[in-house]
Amino acid sequence: SAVISQKPSRDICQRGTSLTIQCQVDSQVTMMFWYRQQPGQSLTLIATANQGSEATYESGFVIDKFPISRPNLTFSTLTVSNMSPEDSSIYLCSVWGVSAGGPHSTDTQYFGPGTRLTVL
Amino acid sequence: LAKTTQPISMDSYEGQEVNITCSHNNIATNDYITWYQQFPSQGPRFIIQGYKTKVTNEVASLFIPADRKSSTLSLPRVSLSDTAVYYCLVGTYSGGYQKVTFGIGTKLQVIP
Repeated sequence: SAVISQKPSRDICQRGTSLTIQCQVDSQVTMMFWYRQQPGQSLTLIATANQGSEATYESGFVIDKFPISRPNLTFSTLTVSNMSPEDSSIYLCSVWGVSAGGPHSTDTQYFGPGTRLTVL
Repeated sequence: LAKTTQPISMDSYEGQEVNITCSHNNIATNDYITWYQQFPSQGPRFIIQGYKTKVTNEVASLFIPADRKSSTLSLPRVSLSDTAVYYCLVGTYSGGYQKVTFGIGTKLQVIP
């Protein structure tokens, strides 16, 4: 299993500023993902970030707004640029890895605790 | 990606078995069915995954009929701590991972 931490856990930001969210994993992983979860809503995939290559963005999300870095196999950052109140969400990092051992081990996604962003 | 449909909410008393059914009528041959649990202010957590028939682990069971157009997550003897949102996801493994789309999920409320 993978243990994921995110910083900051929450922040309140002013309109027009940018915030960089960090995601740290306790083991080396190839695939990392960034999701957004707006209040009361489900999760929406922003982008897939593989180490050594450019992030792949989902429809509706662009690199200029959500630049991503993936410098090594245990770390990634997501920047929310030029923020507006509509960017107020929980941002989650996830990785792809093998679940806990035993007869039902399987590959699955592990999620971080999320970063709660409020834009005023 | 196969679309999933599940009840928006369910209530259950403590100690009862809870069954949450998910419809995925256009599931593809190579799709797997995965269930996640999400507590407030936390990221989703993997519960169980299956392809066909029945899968059981220490947390839950997953029942998948032969046509695979639906699946049922079964939680035995729920407690208050099982109050959470449960997501049914369907997706194919491609490029080394299962690409899925999160639906609305089912909000389970366990009542004392």
